[in-house]
Amino acid sequence: ETAVFQTPNYHVTQVGNEVSFNCKQTLGHDTMYWYKQDSKKLLKIMFSYNNKQLIVNETVPRRFSPQSSDKAHLNLRIKSVEPEDSAVYLCASSWGYENTLYFGAGTRLSVL
Amino acid sequence: GEKVEQHESTLSVREGDSAVINCTYTDTASSYFPWYKQEAGKGLHFVIDIRSNVDRKQSQRLIVLLDKKAKRFSLHITATQPEDSAIYFCAASIGGSNYKLTFGKGTLLTVTP
Repeated sequence: ETAVFQTPNYHVTQVGNEVSFNCKQTLGHDTMYWYKQDSKKLLKIMFSYNNKQLIVNETVPRRFSPQSSDKAHLNLRIKSVEPEDSAVYLCASSWGYENTLYFGAGTRLSVL
Repeated sequence: GEKVEQHESTLSVREGDSAVINCTYTDTASSYFPWYKQEAGKGLHFVIDIRSNVDRKQSQRLIVLLDKKAKRFSLHITATQPEDSAIYFCAASIGGSNYKLTFGKGTLLTVTP
């Protein structure tokens, strides 16, 4: 049962372009996240956001920025993509920070 | 920061046998240990978790054990079925917060009929 929706599923672009990925959750959760999963399946948190605060992983390059219109949506923008940005980007949501994460199916980004 | 090592990168079992996936962590302040499953082309799906106030938890065919002294936890899947085939990720969180959740590298479990 899918309740965290990500678009697009797959995106191919060239170095230097700007891309945006969308995420919407219908679970009524108040906290959303973006994770990066590399080619070796390693997962790293990038951002987390609830209606009170945005927490940024300090290792995330500044060209990445989250964008939220309301608690059900958390989009991800990459200003000028680099080859190392090729990965699967997973969106997730939860009730607060201490409960189970629900993940979307991911957006696979390929940077040529 | 916390480091989580997942010892088996791949595991192959026959249907009906048990599968065990082992993880260790480094930070004694970690108190929440969830497990997630990822099927091909999909996102992660929660399977079971354990908190540091207990050392064993069971949910149907899934058992998770926690040894705080050894900083080790493990997932046991009994009576495996082909649909259990997936990548399993362990994770550890300092203070129980998802923001401080560190994932292992994943174990590809294959259950052969």
